[in-house]
Amino acid sequence: NAGVTQTPKFQVLKTGQSMTLQCAQDMNHEYMSWYRQDPGMGLRLIHYSVGAGITDQGEVPNGYNVSRSTTEDFPLRLLSAAPSQTSVYFCASSYSVTGTGNYEQYFGPGTRLTVT
Amino acid sequence: DQQVKQNSPSLSVQEGRISILNCDYTNSMFDYFLWYKKYPAEGPTFLISISSIKDKNEDGRFTVFLNKSAKHLSLHIVPSQPGDSAVYFCAINRGSTLGRLYFGRGTQLTVWP
Repeated sequence: NAGVTQTPKFQVLKTGQSMTLQCAQDMNHEYMSWYRQDPGMGLRLIHYSVGAGITDQGEVPNGYNVSRSTTEDFPLRLLSAAPSQTSVYFCASSYSVTGTGNYEQYFGPGTRLTVT
Repeated sequence: DQQVKQNSPSLSVQEGRISILNCDYTNSMFDYFLWYKKYPAEGPTFLISISSIKDKNEDGRFTVFLNKSAKHLSLHIVPSQPGDSAVYFCAINRGSTLGRLYFGRGTQLTVWP
């Protein structure tokens, strides 16, 4: 199993450009999510999905769109990049979405994005 | 409003000694608690967890303690090793939020020889 994969590893964008960060998992996990990590801020949830066709906003969703057409893929779209979106982005997945059980999430290696 | 707090941004410990990392939370509805470890340029990796029905869970050198009345959990690493040097994140789940995790800001642990 490859686990959670993310592409690209690094990206530089100009203000106003758009792009899609790719995330895929091969563990048949129901739950997938996107986080951003900024210095001194920990991991903040952008968007998440509890299954194909279902997405919802996290705590910092502005400027980002997601969709979940398959169980495996959960791309994150930046609509019009801004310098404030310079960050490291992590995708994660987990197998439990019920009210009990283990909520361990598996993380990808991250995408380092710089917006100039 | 920060629901999960790791008040120590850094901790430095000598090899062989105990490392104690702390985490406080505000919401008594949280019911599952996890610790993640993160090396530079890598994604966080799961370390150990505990559910709210327990007060202690051990896995080798790592033990997590949960004090629900104080809304506090801690991670003990004994003995500490240089390879443990990383950022440690506390993460907490509230069962009604379908797997969503709330993360603290992390503590940078440095273990020196």
